[in-house]
Amino acid sequence: KQEVTQIPAALSVPEGENLVLNCSFTDSAIYNLQWFRQDPGKGLTSLLLIQSSQREQTSGRLNASLDKSSGRSTLYIAASQPGDSATYLCAVIPDGTSYGKLTFGQGTILTVHP
Amino acid sequence: KAGVTQTPRYLIKTRGQQVTLSCSPISGHRSVSWYQQTPGQGLQFLFEYFSETQRNKGNFPGRFSGRQFSNSRSEMNVSTLELGDSALYLCASSPRPGALRSYEQYFGPGTRLTVT
Repeated sequence: KQEVTQIPAALSVPEGENLVLNCSFTDSAIYNLQWFRQDPGKGLTSLLLIQSSQREQTSGRLNASLDKSSGRSTLYIAASQPGDSATYLCAVIPDGTSYGKLTFGQGTILTVHP
Repeated sequence: KAGVTQTPRYLIKTRGQQVTLSCSPISGHRSVSWYQQTPGQGLQFLFEYFSETQRNKGNFPGRFSGRQFSNSRSEMNVSTLELGDSALYLCASSPRPGALRSYEQYFGPGTRLTVT
């Protein structure tokens, strides 16, 4: 059974810092990995999707890497801003026939202070 | 392009009642999945539908059911509600197989269900 773990569970930093959020998964036979952010009481917003054949994806100040062999992904946030405060979730898709069956980590709660 | 919409946004029900939640995917998306989010268990997969067929089902009791219509809209139903069913129910859609980034999931705002 796939298990996804995110470290740290919570992070509080001053504005401007560069951050690294970690995600690990127990079964390396994943198809894709997707990072999301969730604001309190809201739905999930997709940040980055990394296909299993890729090593990293970038979008603006965000960069996500994937190392399937070690079962790890990292989300790097450059020059953090108060608007980045949210819960960040990583999720894995197990295989090519399970389009919507994501297994999620518990999330990292990020607070960026002005 | 409009995003995933879910109705109603908030719902209060009493134990023993049943409830139906609705999800309209992004236009052109044919896969719809449902998730339950609670503070204790996090996000858990309920079921996935594609072309009106249930493709995958999570580890939830038979009180949880769903369906998908020919226009890809989906409903989920929970019968005989229990206090533990209080949660945020999220729906997600993804493009048709073979499309660019066909596995990227797009989530709706969720339905907050409170069972009293």
